[in-house]
Amino acid sequence: DAGVIQSPRHEVTEMGQEVTLRCKPISGHNSLFWYRQTMMRGLELLIYFNNNVPIDDSGMPEDRFSAKMPNASFSTLKIQPSEPRDSAVYFCASIAGYTGELFFGEGSRLTVL
Amino acid sequence: GQQLNQSPQSMFIQEGEDVSMNCTSSSIFNTWLWYKQDPGEGPVLLIALYKAGELTSNGRLTAQFGITRKDSFLNISASIPSDVGIYFCAGPPKQGGSEKLVFGKGTKLTVNP
Repeated sequence: DAGVIQSPRHEVTEMGQEVTLRCKPISGHNSLFWYRQTMMRGLELLIYFNNNVPIDDSGMPEDRFSAKMPNASFSTLKIQPSEPRDSAVYFCASIAGYTGELFFGEGSRLTVL
Repeated sequence: GQQLNQSPQSMFIQEGEDVSMNCTSSSIFNTWLWYKQDPGEGPVLLIALYKAGELTSNGRLTAQFGITRKDSFLNISASIPSDVGIYFCAGPPKQGGSEKLVFGKGTKLTVNP
């Protein structure tokens, strides 16, 4: 079975540009999470969805960040406009019910110059 | 919000040595999870603990759920080079279980052959 699929794996962009990260969760998983990982702050939960509905977006740093989940098999995380401090690895993860076992994608490494 | 404190932050050991790391919280957790992140990949669940005092093994890995429910320990016996990576503890921050997990900042393990 395919795991969580994220794209792009790497993105380098200039400050002010719009960035869109994409995620396809594991089929049948009803919850999806977006995390950001940096050296300084570790893994931070940005937002999570349950049955395509945003449940908790308290971790979204600013209005420049937005996330959508139009259907059970696709989610996007958008940053507009991007800033150098947004440089990080962004992970998407999914889970079926509550088992504690989050399945992570391989991450999208974002560099904003 | 609730935080998990992991120690040590990093470890440099020789192949064959045993490793111990721990995770503490100022509040009670009902579930403790240990994840490992290999370089360039997303975290993967190693062990899940659901009961205070529980001791669970997975090959050379052993983890314990502290009886106070505010800490957990992970031990790796006879380390090998592929044990290199970052080890995270995690848990749901709310009573009664939750899909949302809080992660510690990780213990980075380096194993010298």
